[in-house]
Amino acid sequence: GNSVTQMEGPVTLSEEAFLTINCTYTATGYPSLFWYVQYPGEGLQLLLKATKADDKGSNKGFEATYRKETTSFHLEKGSVQVSDSAVYFCALSMNTGFQKLVFGTGTRLLVSP
Amino acid sequence: DVKVTQSSRYLVKRTGEKVFLECVQDMDHENMFWYRQDPGLGLRLIYFSYDVKMKEKGDIPEGYSVSREKKERFSLILESASTNQTSMYLCASSPIPGQDTYGYTFGSGTRLTVV
Repeated sequence: GNSVTQMEGPVTLSEEAFLTINCTYTATGYPSLFWYVQYPGEGLQLLLKATKADDKGSNKGFEATYRKETTSFHLEKGSVQVSDSAVYFCALSMNTGFQKLVFGTGTRLLVSP
Repeated sequence: DVKVTQSSRYLVKRTGEKVFLECVQDMDHENMFWYRQDPGLGLRLIYFSYDVKMKEKGDIPEGYSVSREKKERFSLILESASTNQTSMYLCASSPIPGQDTYGYTFGSGTRLTVV
């Protein structure tokens, strides 16, 4: 079946450090890929998405590129802030039939001043 | 601002109780979903609905049922709550049946504790 694998956390960084959170997927076909963020005490919010190979999603300084050859969608940010501390979820959905989101297990990011 | 509203942020229930978790969306979305979130397991789909009175089992439906009598409301029912159902429950909705490139909109979650 379809699945998403994320790096385990927590990822602990100092403010202004470079962030990478790895995400790889397994899917039969060509899915759409998403990153969601969950701030403490809140539900999930869509951070960015990409719907086909080589697309780059970006939002709030975060970027991720859909790499079909490596089945990856790694999340990056050049300079993290304390306010970026949250749990980040990678997810996929197929583009045929009824698309349900399949989530990774989430990666907690902790940014210290 | 568009919203998915879950009726309770925190609930404490006793083992064996019947529990109702309510979710309302104001975006006229066709699809609605219930997930549970547990540490180390991520989000797991319990049930979803793509239309009024329609429901489909997700990956972990055992011990749960759902009701969707109106388009905007999707209820999750624990027929007889057990301690292993202690979890964070997240409701979500999405537009356009069969097309999810817009992403889901999530509620803030209900943290249920069964004692």
